[in-house]
Amino acid sequence: EIVMTQSPATLSVSPGERVTLSCRASQNVNSNLVWYQQKPGQAPRLLIYDTSTTATGVPARFSGRGSGTEFTLTISSLQSEDFAVYYCQSFNNWPWLTFGGGTKVEIK
Amino acid sequence: QVQLVESGGGVVQPEKSLRLSCATSGFRFSTYAMHWVRQAPGKGLEWLAAIWYDGGYQYYADSVKGRFTISRDNPKNTLHLQMDSLRVDDTAMYFCARANCSGHCYSGTLDIWGQGTMVTVSS
Repeated sequence: EIVMTQSPATLSVSPGERVTLSCRASQNVNSNLVWYQQKPGQAPRLLIYDTSTTATGVPARFSGRGSGTEFTLTISSLQSEDFAVYYCQSFNNWPWLTFGGGTKVEIK
Repeated sequence: QVQLVESGGGVVQPEKSLRLSCATSGFRFSTYAMHWVRQAPGKGLEWLAAIWYDGGYQYYADSVKGRFTISRDNPKNTLHLQMDSLRVDDTAMYFCARANCSGHCYSGTLDIWGQGTMVTVSS
């Protein structure tokens, strides 16, 4: 069973700052890594898939990179609407999906 | 407009059953694999089940295998989750979600999500 570990659990950031969130897989997931954003009371929203492909309508300030077991999501300049919880997810053993525990990005 | 709308949630006693539905519109439902994901209050996301586009294959997380059944009605563009032998720890918001490619597609990316339906298991 693949375990996805996200760090940190909470990140306090000021608007305009560059933010990097980490996600580590317990085994090689190749490029099968997805990032979602979830705001309170809302469903998750797809941001990035296949490690680095930005989903339709997602602002260019969001980018993903990594391979194997280490992945990152970067927000180049944090906007007020970006304060949310971010989840990574792998699917190396389709269709069993594994989510990370999430990183909450909060206002500093 | 692509849309998923869950229904069927509510308060139920332990060991009872509940059937969730996910009504879809705006896309060719019969060509997409579909998933159920849940989120306990204040917790993270947990994948539960998936069903092949034609209903031919179903897959389950160990936590619900043998208790939950995923199914679909393609002519009615609707996804279901039959939940039996419910436990207190099944209390969560339940989301249906679409895989991001159609046909014989092995993608685990969920590109469209419903708003969820809340299930509370309590005596």
